[in-house]
Amino acid sequence: ETGVTQTPRHLVMGMTNKKSLKCEQHLGHNAMYWYKQSAKKPLELMFVYSLEERVENNSVPSRFSPECPNSSHLFLHLHTLQPEDSALYLCASSETSGGSYYEQYFGPGTRLTVT
Amino acid sequence: DQQVKQNSPSLSVQEGRISILNCDYTNSMFDYFLWYKKYPAEGPTFLISISSIKDKNEDGRFTVFLNKSAKHLSLHIVPSQPGDSAVYFCAAAEVNDYKLSFGAGTTVTVRA
Repeated sequence: ETGVTQTPRHLVMGMTNKKSLKCEQHLGHNAMYWYKQSAKKPLELMFVYSLEERVENNSVPSRFSPECPNSSHLFLHLHTLQPEDSALYLCASSETSGGSYYEQYFGPGTRLTVT
Repeated sequence: DQQVKQNSPSLSVQEGRISILNCDYTNSMFDYFLWYKKYPAEGPTFLISISSIKDKNEDGRFTVFLNKSAKHLSLHIVPSQPGDSAVYFCAAAEVNDYKLSFGAGTTVTVRA
């Protein structure tokens, strides 16, 4: 595997379910990100982990719970979601120092539908 | 509060002609700007970037122009090709901050 991978690619869940999204990066980066993309809206930064420490939490509801067990893996645990949480969830990684640290590499995303 | 704005949600251009995508920003602390390209069912991929110390950066068919006084940047694609049909996102970062602020995207359709 190369780059940034995400599983599953598609997920349909009920409002009472618990599920997790997984992201893995094979680029040796030390920062990982979760974004939410709703139709016709900008990518919304949800969480940032740098060196496995959460450094950003953009007022995300507690029904979204991130986990970063190591620098290569990032999870987003979901529980009691609402229909308005249906969106494309994108994972990204980057360096946090050096000349190209603004360049983030994205996974293909998980298309989440909450019914 | 949306700090990066792409006011044209879509653009249609004939193959071989120039595509011009525009982006405006409000945060004067932004000092690095990027364009990403996204195909359906794929994540965004980095296309080209520009630092605030420059006003132009060119990479093959892609050129980004930055007008700091107007807080405006644009992406020129010339000549446009059918494979350029995608969503293009403008993004910006503040000094020494690795977090990006994104625009809502512009969908480009290149007609044969």
